Amino acid sequence: GQQVMQIPQYQHVQEGEDFTTYCNSSTTLSNIQWYKQRPGGHPVFLIQLVKSGEVKKQKRLTFQFGEAKKNSSLHITATQTTDVGTYFCAGQSADSWGKLQFGAGTQVVVTP
Amino acid sequence: NAGVTQTPKFQVLKTGQSMTLQCAQDMNHEYMSWYRQDPGMGLRLIHYSVGAGITDQGEVPNGYNVSRSTTEDFPLRLLSAAPSQTSVYFCASSRTLAYEQYFGPGTRLTVT
Repeated sequence: GQQVMQIPQYQHVQEGEDFTTYCNSSTTLSNIQWYKQRPGGHPVFLIQLVKSGEVKKQKRLTFQFGEAKKNSSLHITATQTTDVGTYFCAGQSADSWGKLQFGAGTQVVVTP
Repeated sequence: NAGVTQTPKFQVLKTGQSMTLQCAQDMNHEYMSWYRQDPGMGLRLIHYSVGAGITDQGEVPNGYNVSRSTTEDFPLRLLSAAPSQTSVYFCASSRTLAYEQYFGPGTRLTVT
């Protein structure tokens, strides 16, 4: 069945630095969503990518969907303490209709 | 709008007990789902529903039942609690799976 993997599992970042987290699927995705979960909170939707090669930006966050629609990335520039949390990607594929498959997440810790 | 509400926030059960986790949404969303979150494993889909009267199994359905008699409510029943069901449970809803998921605040369940 479909599997979604995220790397790295943990990311320690110095405030002001950039980092990237990656999401890879074993099958072609129809769309991919990204969520952020603050410690003790619930996942909150960030963005959805649908088209092959799509790039979307939200302030310091840049999201990309791979040309083959099997991978995605989230790049954060000039990391701030407010970026602390776990970032999840979630994909839907044609052979798992009705189901959103979440990756295990990248836990981000920011040191001042 | 209250969004997605879940009750209770915390629950402790003894092995073998049964209980129902409540989930309700007031956004007239067709799609609702239940996830469990365990450390290092992301969010795993338990059951989902694409509309009132329609439910289906997710990735980890064993030991859980659901029903969807109304658009608003999607309760999750634990039939006979086991320590392996100790987890944080999130309910989510969306217009359809192709749209952003709105998550409830979660229920933290401990089975002793």
